[in-house]
Amino acid sequence: EVQLVDSGGGLVQPGGSLRLSCAGSGFTFSNYWMSWVRQAPGKGLEWVANIDQHARQTYYADSVKGRFTISRDNAKNSLSLQMNSLRAEDTAVYYCARWVAASAAAALGYWGQGTLVTVSS
Amino acid sequence: DMVLTQSPDSLAVSLGERTTINCKSSQSVLYNNNNYLAWYQQKPGQPPKLLIYWASTRASGVPDRFSGSGSGTDFTLTISSLQAEDVAVYYCQEYYYTPRSFGQGTKLEIK
Repeated sequence: EVQLVDSGGGLVQPGGSLRLSCAGSGFTFSNYWMSWVRQAPGKGLEWVANIDQHARQTYYADSVKGRFTISRDNAKNSLSLQMNSLRAEDTAVYYCARWVAASAAAALGYWGQGTLVTVSS
Repeated sequence: DMVLTQSPDSLAVSLGERTTINCKSSQSVLYNNNNYLAWYQQKPGQPPKLLIYWASTRASGVPDRFSGSGSGTDFTLTISSLQAEDVAVYYCQEYYYTPRSFGQGTKLEIK
């Protein structure tokens, strides 16, 4: 069974940093692109970042470019999101997601349970 | 940037009735005979769940009362006979362009 477990969320002050993690199991982690998607309280879904199977290609939403870094460790079946210079508008539940297929473009087939990041003084 | 616009924003439907949710993209998502369009269901307090991809392919385990149709810029999610457990917010998403885009969501309730 495919499982994704998000962790690392919490309360952080504006300008601060936080590192989110996602542990994958039940599949060959190194075969799949991975993504982070966030959802502000009471709002819709917002794509944050993508990373290819071997961490050679990364893509970011304009709203986080230059502040967030997506990375992965295939040996540990782990995905990360380093978030710096956090702003109030970054407050959201952050989900990691695995693409449904091992291809260059695919829907988000599996999702973690999400981890809440709150940016507030 | 690509914009996906869903309609309606919310709707209330009687149990057993047919339900349709629309998604219109500002640019075509049809390439090489594939429509890069997915539908997700999100229930309160839960992560999104993939229902449909390639515009019309049901994801594993999704009941066959859910179906997707459309091509190019206009897409539809249909629930043939609404069940109580279908109360949720539904999102469309394109996965061809970067940045990826989601529709604003359609909230489905029971009448």
